Amino acid sequence: EIVMTQSPATLSVSPGERATLSCRASQSVSSNLAWYQQKPGQAPRLLIYGASSRATGIPARFSGGGSGTEFTLTISSLQSEDFAVYYCQQYNNWLPLTFGGGTKVEIK
Amino acid sequence: QLVESGGGLVQTGGSLRLSCAASGITLSSYAMSWVRQAPGKGLEWVSGILGSDDTTHYADSVKGRFTISRHNSKNTLFLQMNSLRAEDTAVYYCAKSPRYGGYFYDYMDVWGKGTTVTVSS
Repeated sequence: EIVMTQSPATLSVSPGERATLSCRASQSVSSNLAWYQQKPGQAPRLLIYGASSRATGIPARFSGGGSGTEFTLTISSLQSEDFAVYYCQQYNNWLPLTFGGGTKVEIK
Repeated sequence: QLVESGGGLVQTGGSLRLSCAASGITLSSYAMSWVRQAPGKGLEWVSGILGSDDTTHYADSVKGRFTISRHNSKNTLFLQMNSLRAEDTAVYYCAKSPRYGGYFYDYMDVWGKGTTVTVSS
């Protein structure tokens, strides 16, 4: 099983600032990495797939990078609606598909 | 759109069947998964079914207790959950992988709103 580790667990950011979230895989997942946003009481929403491709309707302030075992999600200028929990997920090895533990982005 | 139902309160050792009704999506054309989220915790992939040949896969934590299936004419996905344990308490989401043909599990581009399962003694 590929273990996904996200850091930090909580990120305190002021609106308008840049946020950088990290995700590390226990072995290479190539570029088979997705990012999701989840708000309280809601289902996860796909943001990024293929490590760096934005999903349909996702604003350009969200960008993903990395390959192999190290990945980042950057939110260039945080808006009020961006405060949420973010998860990474690898899909290079199916069994099982695995998620990181999440990073909560909160208002500073 | 995906809409889950069937959650509820069940005793330890009991059974429950979750459903995921699809509209605008032909489930048999895609790989589908069930993903759960325990209260205050992260996401855990539980089970999946390929669209190409109905091959099923399970997380070790549910293998032998849960069964995923699909009713193509009703365009509905199911998760039969037996021998339920307290640690199965979670919101259960069904989710679709994007690649047409359903040969692969990948990321999940469409999610339902979830249904809550509570297992209590």
